[in-house]
Amino acid sequence: EIVLTQSPGALSLSPGERATLSCRASQTVISIYLAWYQQRPGQAPRFLISGASRRATGIPDRFSVSGSGTDFALTISRLEPEDSAVYYCQHYGTAPYTFGQGTKLEI
Amino acid sequence: QVQLVESGGGVVQPGRSLRLSCAASGFIFRGYGMHWVRQAPGKGLEWLAVISYDESRIYSADSVRGRFTISRDNSKNTLYLQMNSLRPDDTAVYYCAKDECSGGSCFADHWGQGTLVIVSS
Repeated sequence: EIVLTQSPGALSLSPGERATLSCRASQTVISIYLAWYQQRPGQAPRFLISGASRRATGIPDRFSVSGSGTDFALTISRLEPEDSAVYYCQHYGTAPYTFGQGTKLEI
Repeated sequence: QVQLVESGGGVVQPGRSLRLSCAASGFIFRGYGMHWVRQAPGKGLEWLAVISYDESRIYSADSVRGRFTISRDNSKNTLYLQMNSLRPDDTAVYYCAKDECSGGSCFADHWGQGTLVIVSS
């Protein structure tokens, strides 16, 4: 089973700044098999962006992904208050399709 | 538009069973794999199980294998999760999610609003 470790656990930034959220895998993951999700308080999770950089409908290009091997990142540029949420990475290569523990982003 | 509506949650005693349903609409249900994911109160997401569009492939997490069973009825556009031998640590919101693959990359692109299961005596 691939274990995903996200860091930091929580992050507080100001509007307009850039956030870099890390997702480290316990073994090599093909980058296109890593997906990211956003969960705002009181809401269900929603798909954000795939490892192949396909964004969900309505997600701006301020959101981007990078990384390879075991180290991956979600970068959110020009932060807005609505970006406040918990962000999860998930690997999709071989089951079980585990999630990271999440990074809470506060703007 | 894609809609996923979970139902069947509630309060159940430890050791009992419960079956969750996920009614799908707005897409060709029989053409897509489906997932169950849960979230314990105040905790992160835990992937539970996936079933392929034709039920030929089913995978589940170690934590629920042997107790939980994912299934689907394509004639009813409905996904199920049969949960047996429930334990207090199964208390969570249970989400169903639709599988999508694009450009070689797969992900859960639509999620339901979840149904709450509380296991307590």
